[in-house]
Amino acid sequence: AQTVTQSQPEMSVQEAETVTLSCTYDTSESNYYLFWYKQPPSRQMILVIRQEAYKQQNATENRFSVNFQKAAKSFSLKISDSQLGDTAMYFCAFMKHEGRGSNYQLIWGAGTKLIIKP
Amino acid sequence: NAGVTQTPKFRILKIGQSMTLQCTQDMNHNYMYWYRQDPGMGLKLIYYSVGAGITDKGEVPNGYNVSRSTTEDFPLRLELAAPSQTSVYFCASSYVLISYNEQFFGPGTRLTVL
Repeated sequence: AQTVTQSQPEMSVQEAETVTLSCTYDTSESNYYLFWYKQPPSRQMILVIRQEAYKQQNATENRFSVNFQKAAKSFSLKISDSQLGDTAMYFCAFMKHEGRGSNYQLIWGAGTKLIIKP
Repeated sequence: NAGVTQTPKFRILKIGQSMTLQCTQDMNHNYMYWYRQDPGMGLKLIYYSVGAGITDKGEVPNGYNVSRSTTEDFPLRLELAAPSQTSVYFCASSYVLISYNEQFFGPGTRLTVL
């Protein structure tokens, strides 16, 4: 069975610093998708960034980038120039490439609470 | 667009009571999902739907029922509420069955069963 592990329950950094959140996963699949979602205190879950396993190039979205190491099954999120608004829970999620139809499966990590201090 | 809306925001139930959590999306998405989030945990899929009239079980469906009579609405029914169902419930929708496409989430319903 697939699992997603986020080993850092909580992290805290100063505003403008760079922070890296770790995520590892376990799967025997060769083709899959990985996501980072952000959940601010408002509770709304927001997609931060996503990566397809067959793409070697790391995804980047403005200040957010990932370090995808397929062999190591690692998918870390780097936030550069952190801002107070980045304070949130961050969830890593894994999805098998099932194609259309049923057998949909999205596995979520337990989350990392990130606090940006002024 | 309002996106995905959920009602109510909060609810306290007594053991054995029933209730329906409402979810509506105005993005014309075919795919809709119900998740629960327990404290300190990630999301777990309860049920999902690939279109009107079609639903399927997720990881933790026991104690819940869903229906999908329209594209817009995907209510979640709790029968005989139990303390183990105390959780935050999120409804989500997507244009296609997740894959690489983004899921849009509602603001959640915090349910307490006493």
